[in-house]
Amino acid sequence: GENVEQHPSTLSVQEGDSAVIKCTYSDSASNYFPWYKQELGKGPQLIIDIRSNVGEKKDQRIAVTLNKTAKHFSLHITETQPEDSAVYFCAASRGSGGYQKVTFGTGTKLQVIP
Amino acid sequence: NAGVMQNPRHLVRRRGQEARLRCSPMKGHSHVYWYRQLPEEGLKFMVYLQKENIIDESGMPKERFSAEFPKEGPSILRIQQVVRGDSAAYFCASSPSSNYEQYFGPGTRLTVT
Repeated sequence: GENVEQHPSTLSVQEGDSAVIKCTYSDSASNYFPWYKQELGKGPQLIIDIRSNVGEKKDQRIAVTLNKTAKHFSLHITETQPEDSAVYFCAASRGSGGYQKVTFGTGTKLQVIP
Repeated sequence: NAGVMQNPRHLVRRRGQEARLRCSPMKGHSHVYWYRQLPEEGLKFMVYLQKENIIDESGMPKERFSAEFPKEGPSILRIQQVVRGDSAAYFCASSPSSNYEQYFGPGTRLTVT
């Protein structure tokens, strides 16, 4: 089955700096890569996603890059703000039996220091 | 437009009791997924259901755990004879089709004493 590794497990940055979280996956058939933000006591919230036919996607201060050859993808947050502090999960997914079975990474706890 | 709803938000059970967790998907969504999250860990897939059908239960323990998504009403995750190791946050997600983004509910935090 799919295996997703995520690094680092914790990340502290100064407000205004950039944060980068990296993930690798094992199944070359994976074709959909969502990123989720989870605040304390809440469910994961989809913040951005990328499909395998695209190398990069950007949405305001958040961007995701995908390297299918190397089987890794990254989340970039620029101009970080205290409200960006949360746990971030990457995930990889492929159509299996007609649906997207999602495998999650182990999470990165991001702390933005004011 | 209400999001995915889960109840109860917190559930305390003694060892040996049954736990019933409910999930109401977003309006128009007929696909439901259940995940378990242990403290300081990621989400682990348990089961995927469509209305009245279990599509994939490969992540769900074969003993004590069951899930359903009836034609009417919420999806139910049932854990019989709970043990301390069942203590975790259980999240459900829904999507409008099989090949689409999943939207998560706020979770049910189960504590087994």
